[in-house]
Amino acid sequence: AQTVTQSQPEMSVQEAETVTLSCTYDTSESDYYLFWYKQPPSRQMILVIRQEAYKQQNATENRFSVNFQKAAKSFSLKISDSQLGDAAMYFCAYRNRNDYKLSFGAGTTVTVRA
Amino acid sequence: GAGVSQSPSNKVTEKGKDVELRCDPISGHTALYWYRQSLGQGLEFLIYFQGNSAPDKSGLPSDRFSAERTGGSVSTLTIQRTQQEDSAVYLCASSLVPAARETQYFGPGTRLLVL
Repeated sequence: AQTVTQSQPEMSVQEAETVTLSCTYDTSESDYYLFWYKQPPSRQMILVIRQEAYKQQNATENRFSVNFQKAAKSFSLKISDSQLGDAAMYFCAYRNRNDYKLSFGAGTTVTVRA
Repeated sequence: GAGVSQSPSNKVTEKGKDVELRCDPISGHTALYWYRQSLGQGLEFLIYFQGNSAPDKSGLPSDRFSAERTGGSVSTLTIQRTQQEDSAVYLCASSLVPAARETQYFGPGTRLLVL
């Protein structure tokens, strides 16, 4: 079974500043997908960004970018120019290429200070 | 509809009662998933449906939990003889196909509280 670890239960960031959320995972597979999901108080999980393990280039979506270190099994999320609307719980998730279920970390609560 | 919908939004029940949670996936999505999110924890996989294939029930925590998907669309998760440890948010997701790279779209969840 795959294990996804998010070691930061909570992170706080000043509006317009940058925050980085860490995620590590354990797998013996070489082909897989990694995801960051955002869960605001509405509980609706929203996909923020996705990374394919066979791609070396780090994924970027507007103010969100990842630092994917395959050898280290690390997948951090950087939120640049933080906005009040970024306040939410963020989950890192793993999915094996031949599987359909997602394995999630415990989440990191991000607070944005005005 | 435009997204995955779930009902009820919140459910309070007494220990020992049965509950049914409903999920309406995005139209045309063949794959449907149920996850459970306990307080302060990440999501854990419960069950998966794909078309007319037999569901993967490997994540169901006990035989008190069951789920069905009728007509390849709406799904119902049933918890019999509820226990306090069943209190959690139950999230449903769907995807166009079950491929690993496909995005799973989540509903808003049902918050279940067992007294």
